[in-house]
Amino acid sequence: DAGVTQSPTHLIKTRGQQVTLRCSPKSGHDTVSWYQQALGQGPQFIFQYYEEEERQRGNFPDRFSGHQFPNYSSELNVNALLLGDSALYLCASSSPLGKETQYFGPGTRLLVL
Amino acid sequence: GEDVEQSLFLSVREGDSSVINCTYTDSSSTYLYWYKQEPGAGLQLLTYIFSNMDMKQDQRLTVLLNKKDKHLSLRIADTQTGDSAIYFCAACNNAGNMLTFGGGTRLMVKP
Repeated sequence: DAGVTQSPTHLIKTRGQQVTLRCSPKSGHDTVSWYQQALGQGPQFIFQYYEEEERQRGNFPDRFSGHQFPNYSSELNVNALLLGDSALYLCASSSPLGKETQYFGPGTRLLVL
Repeated sequence: GEDVEQSLFLSVREGDSSVINCTYTDSSSTYLYWYKQEPGAGLQLLTYIFSNMDMKQDQRLTVLLNKKDKHLSLRIADTQTGDSAIYFCAACNNAGNMLTFGGGTRLMVKP
């Protein structure tokens, strides 16, 4: 049973560019959340998707947007990249019967130069 | 909003017990979690406790929750070198959809 998968594993972009990160949830899970983890810090909640809609959003600007597809996979898009967007981006999924418990993927490490 | 705090660093000898502490501010938090992160990896869910419990044991792991003081601890019995990692405490909001994490405690286990 595959866990949460994310792609790509690493990415290098320059300031002002746009990036798309992808996440496939654990089998049987229908809810996807995204977190940003800056170096040396704990993860910070970006947003959560359920039934293809954004259900909850953290304190992130509109440059951060997302999408959930009918197969429950999700994308995180970041526009107009800043140096400060360099971080590990973590995706987590949860199941319909245990939506409070989130299981994390390995993350995508984004470096903005 | 919720604020979760942890001490930065803990060093123990192999075979000893480790106790990692965490405090949180929102008394309406429903679930509290402990995650483990090894270098370059994602977060591994270790255990969690519902807010109406005060203790949960899972093999070498014991979670204690003092809801009055908003204090959570993770005890690892017989700590091994493979337990060396960063441990994150997290609190779930009342809606059950957002986790707030502490800054992490780096556990170093000396042989």
